[in-house]
Amino acid sequence: EIVMTQSPATLSLSPGERGTLSCRASQSVFSKLAWYQQKPGQAPRLLIYNASTRATGVPARFSGGGSGAEFTLTISSLQSEDFALYYCQQYNKWPPFTFGQGTKLEIK
Amino acid sequence: QVQLVQSGSEVKEPGASVKVSCKASGYTFSGYYLHWLRQAPGQSPEWMGWINPNSGATMYGRNFQGRVSLTRDASTTTAYLDLSRLAFDDTGVYYCARDLRTSHASLDGIFDNWGQGTLVTVSS
Repeated sequence: EIVMTQSPATLSLSPGERGTLSCRASQSVFSKLAWYQQKPGQAPRLLIYNASTRATGVPARFSGGGSGAEFTLTISSLQSEDFALYYCQQYNKWPPFTFGQGTKLEIK
Repeated sequence: QVQLVQSGSEVKEPGASVKVSCKASGYTFSGYYLHWLRQAPGQSPEWMGWINPNSGATMYGRNFQGRVSLTRDASTTTAYLDLSRLAFDDTGVYYCARDLRTSHASLDGIFDNWGQGTLVTVSS
């Protein structure tokens, strides 16, 4: 099973700042990496897939990068609605599809 | 628009079974695989399995094999999750989620539309 590790566990930033979240896979997943955003009481929402492709309706301030085993999600200028939990997920080798433990993006 | 509407919260005793439904609308039901995931309190989502609504074929995660069954009713565009022999650590929110790929025979493993979730509480 591929283990996904996210860092940091919590990221404290102010609106307008740039945020960078990291995700590492225990082995190469090539570009088969997705990012999800989850707000309290809601289902996860797909943001990025294939490491860098934005899902339908996702603002351009969200961008994904990386390949192999190291990935990043960057939010260029944080808006109030961006403070949430973020998960990475690999879909290269399955079953199972596996998620990281999450990064909480909180307001500083 | 794509909608996945799940059944309501459940409270079950240890050893019981639970059945959760997921009603799909706004797209061709047979054209996309459906996945089920569980999110325990304070944890990340855990994939449980998928069903091909066209053929009925299924695949289950190792952690759930022998206890989980995924079925569908194409006439009502509804998918079902059955989980048996419930334990306290089965408590969590259960989600259905559609696969991104349009196909009768293959999937991506990218979850692009999610149901609202069904809280299952296992308590004595």
